[in-house]
Amino acid sequence: AQTVTQSQPEMSVQEAETVTLSCTYDTSESNYYLFWYKQPPSRQMILVIRQEAYKQQNATENRFSVNFQKAAKSFSLKISDSQLGDTAMYFCAFRAGGSQGNLIFGKGTKLSVKP
Amino acid sequence: EAQVTQNPRYLITVTGKKLTVTCSQNMNHEYMSWYRQDPGLGLRQIYYSMNVEVTDKGDVPEGYKVSRKEKRNFPLILESPSPNQTSLYFCASSFVRGMSNYGYTFGSGTRLTVV
Repeated sequence: AQTVTQSQPEMSVQEAETVTLSCTYDTSESNYYLFWYKQPPSRQMILVIRQEAYKQQNATENRFSVNFQKAAKSFSLKISDSQLGDTAMYFCAFRAGGSQGNLIFGKGTKLSVKP
Repeated sequence: EAQVTQNPRYLITVTGKKLTVTCSQNMNHEYMSWYRQDPGLGLRQIYYSMNVEVTDKGDVPEGYKVSRKEKRNFPLILESPSPNQTSLYFCASSFVRGMSNYGYTFGSGTRLTVV
């Protein structure tokens, strides 16, 4: 069974600085997908970034980028130039490839961006 | 607008009174799923559906029922709610096309309180 672990329950960062959120996962699958979701106080789940396991290049979406280390089964999220609107819960998630893959979530990291 | 619509957003009910939380998506997604979110536990899957008339249990199915009579709708039924089902519930949907998986699109959530 796949598991996703986020070891940082809470983090804080000063506005305009950079912060990295950690995520590790365990799987025996060779084809899978990894995601970071953001949940602001409005509680809406928003997809931040997505990484295919077969791609060596790390995904980037504006200020958000990942460090994907397949051998180490690590998938960290880097937020550059942090903004107050980045304050949210962040969830790392795993989905196996193929039609039977369910989305499995970590327990989340609460990020606070301070002015 | 492509979206997943959940209703109601808030619900307070009494123990034992049957209730249904509706979920509808307009993106022609094959895959739909229900999650519950509890503090410190992240999101846990209740039930999922690969397509019409195809449903299966997730990690925490006890006390819940689902049905998938139409592709767009995936209601969550609590036949006899209990206080331990007080939680934040999310419906989500996605495409599943061969080996190319996508992240989920989430509804806005339903805050359920059972007293």
